[in-house]
Parts: sequence; C-alpha cells; structure tokens
Amino acid sequence: AQKVTQAQTEISVVEKEDVTLDCVYETRDTTYYLFWYKQPPSGELVFLIRRNSFDEQNEISGRYSWNFQKSTSSFNFTITASQVVDSAVYFCALSEASSNDYKLSFGAGTTVTVRA
Amino acid sequence: EPEVTQTPSHQVTQMGQEVILRCVPISNHLYFYWYRQILGQKVEFLVSFYNNEISEKSEIFDDQFSVERPDGSNFTLKIRSTKLEDSAMYFCASSEGRGKNTGELFFGEGSRLTVL
Repeated sequence: AQKVTQAQTEISVVEKEDVTLDCVYETRDTTYYLFWYKQPPSGELVFLIRRNSFDEQNEISGRYSWNFQKSTSSFNFTITASQVVDSAVYFCALSEASSNDYKLSFGAGTTVTVRA
Repeated sequence: EPEVTQTPSHQVTQMGQEVILRCVPISNHLYFYWYRQILGQKVEFLVSFYNNEISEKSEIFDDQFSVERPDGSNFTLKIRSTKLEDSAMYFCASSEGRGKNTGELFFGEGSRLTVL
C-alpha cells in the first residue's frame, strides 16, 4: 500500500506566486517522522524539514512553511513568493518508528517549475 | 559538517558486467541504506544495513544485489550482472538512529549508473 501520496505530479507557476505541495500519508504507528526533500536538476536530495508525529506545530523557514495536520494525515508544504531557483522535484517521505531501521518511504514527487 | 560521500558519481557499464558502488557514511552513524531512483521516477528503498547485517530489503533487492561493509568505513552496493533496467541513480544514506536526529537520513549525492 502506498504510504505517502503526492497527488500533484507537476505544478507550474510564475515567479512570485505561492505554491503549495500536498502530501498525504498513511501509517498505523503513533510515532513517526515526516520529511520533505528537494531534488534540483543536478540530482542530489536536499533535506528541507523533519517533523515528528508529536509536534503538530506549523513551521516557517524563510519562504518555506509546513502545515502538519494529523487529523487529515497531511503534511503540506508551501513556497511563498516562488523563485526560479525553487524549480525542482519535491519529495515527501515517511519514517515509522515500528520499522526497525527507520527507512524512508517516499512519495512519487511533485515537479515544480517556476517561470520567470 | 559531516556528509555522506559516494563514488563514482557516474559509471557507464556494459550489460552483464559487475558494478560496485561505494559509499562512506557519516562516521558515528549506525544505519546504512541504499535507495534507487530510475530517471523521472520516485526514490525507492533497496536495503538497510545495521550491526553488520541486512536489516531489511525490498523486493527490488534480488540475488543480483549485495551489500557489504568491508572495512568499518565503506559501505558498498554490488550488482553482479547488470541489466538495462538497473540504469538509475543510486543513493546511499546513513542515520544515527537515535537521539534528536532519530529518523533522519543523510543522503549522499548519488551515483548515476548507466547500463548499455
């Protein structure tokens, strides 16, 4: 079963627009961790944020913000005032405490294209 | 800042050849992983390694694949007889597995394998 669903395959915006990426997860664990990674065209995976299941406080880091809602099993990511450099594939991922090895299950990714 | 390093960054090989991808995880980390990303697709879990043995492996990780930690610092992925469909980016990751970074994986920059 798909543990992490990113329903949006591609999003295209014009620079300075806001863009929100959806992530819905599925787990039976009460303790788990959620992540967002950015994959620019160069291919590496860049860590953006880690959230544990006990901390539902939303977080803002510069132009990035995250909305974690356990009630809907969602962990959405918003880029405010997007820039061309934000163009990348963004992956949401889940790690479950019941997994002995903390492995990550990734969503399919959302490709964000920011046009100048 | 400590980082996971991978070599080679890109390898081209002929079908049927053996390939070894190398990784140096972060030194105090206990869990090691290999992930694979076929071009344009999601990042898929291959195998996790803990305490000198495989902790978990996916159905992708068949008998053609093996992992080894030969010398306490390197962590290798071997593909015995490469197939065209093995062409992908292979990411190594490591995790401390405890403490404030529980659940967080640190990824290398990836090794791109092209099988001709």
